Amino acid sequence: DAGVIQSPRHEVTEMGQEVTLRCKPISGHNSLFWYRQTMMRGLELLIYFNNNVPIDDSGMPEDRFSAKMPNASFSTLKIQPSEPRDSAVYFCASSLRDGRGMGNQPQHFGDGTRLSIL
Amino acid sequence: KNEVEQSPQNLTAQEGEFITINCSYSVGISALHWLQQHPGGGIVSLFMLSSGKKKHGRLIATINIQEKHSSLHITASHPRDSAVYICAARAVNRDDKIIFGKGTRLHILP
Repeated sequence: DAGVIQSPRHEVTEMGQEVTLRCKPISGHNSLFWYRQTMMRGLELLIYFNNNVPIDDSGMPEDRFSAKMPNASFSTLKIQPSEPRDSAVYFCASSLRDGRGMGNQPQHFGDGTRLSIL
Repeated sequence: KNEVEQSPQNLTAQEGEFITINCSYSVGISALHWLQQHPGGGIVSLFMLSSGKKKHGRLIATINIQEKHSSLHITASHPRDSAVYICAARAVNRDDKIIFGKGTRLHILP
């Protein structure tokens, strides 16, 4: 079975450029999560969706970050304009939602996108 | 003080040793996750528990809700267990926000 698929695996770009990260969740999963991992701050939840609807985006660092989920099989995380401090590994995860909230089912993680902003 | 604290931060042990990683949290939770991140960076969800104990192979996770403490145990440790183990708590009064520990880096020597 295909797991969570993220693209690209690596992205290197200059500051000020727009960056788009993509995620395809596991088919049938109705919750999707975007995380960011850095050496300084560890793993942080940025935003999560239930049934394509954003539920909690309080982890999104600032207005330069936006996330969309136009359908059940695709989500994007966009940074515009990008800055060097955005350099991190960005993970997408998906799970089944049992009606009680985000944390009650195991999450399946993608391999991550390693983003470097020069 | 972090709301989710893990100990130790780093652990090196010989193959075959019994391993314990601890997680203490200060928020009310409805579930606690244990994640494993391999040196290559991939993250795997090991356990999600809200009470008692769960076992999967050589891995055992326990949680004590009253003491706000969870442990992850590895029996008969093996070099392939070398990874970072991350504890994450789902906070009930924080809009279901997940709060992560800083992780425990485990290195099992052959």
